[in-house]
Amino acid sequence: KNQVEQSPQSLIILEGKNCTLQCNYTVSPFSNLRWYKQDTGRGPVSLTIMTFSENTKSNGRYTATLDADTKQSSLHITASQLSDSASYICVVSVGDDYKLSFGAGTTVTVRA
Amino acid sequence: DTAVSQTPKYLVTQMGNDKSIKCEQNLGHDTMYWYKQDSKKFLKIMFSYNNKELIINETVPNRFSPKSPDKAHLNLHINSLELGDSAVYFCASSQSISPPGDEQFFGPGTRLTVL
Repeated sequence: KNQVEQSPQSLIILEGKNCTLQCNYTVSPFSNLRWYKQDTGRGPVSLTIMTFSENTKSNGRYTATLDADTKQSSLHITASQLSDSASYICVVSVGDDYKLSFGAGTTVTVRA
Repeated sequence: DTAVSQTPKYLVTQMGNDKSIKCEQNLGHDTMYWYKQDSKKFLKIMFSYNNKELIINETVPNRFSPKSPDKAHLNLHINSLELGDSAVYFCASSQSISPPGDEQFFGPGTRLTVL
């Protein structure tokens, strides 16, 4: 069973609307959690990183939250644009290990 | 001034052939990675090299052999290609292997199709 679960698997929203993506993880000990955006036909690009002590972090219209107690993170997209259409991947790193645990991603489609 | 580059971008080949994918980064990073992304878009790490030393070797068939001639290059050679090898292969690099979760910079991917 994957240690990082993302939901929903996919979603469609209208341009200008907001949406929230979820990431639940079971890895321990937790080091940090990173959200990547992957455009179609491109490699993933980092949006934000959350460490244990951080609850929220913004990058433009993207806001990530982290609840280390419940092992949940969310990525909120505000006032979506067509260019937000992409897959969003949650990646969790284990405390003192080199390995990373990847979620399967959420595919977001923004329609005009 | 591409940060992480891969060649070729597309690779179509017959079952049983041997092929290589090349990766180069000009970011001065110490660590490089190879990932496989299947049709369900799930990214799975295959290998990681830090300063030319292999540090992550997931359960990948030994038909896959990474080679790092220097810190800036990590090539992937695949012997006896099988249908199940069809996927998009991504190369990535990060400043260092520590701290864990250091930002990775990904290449554009190589779409491998085995017929």
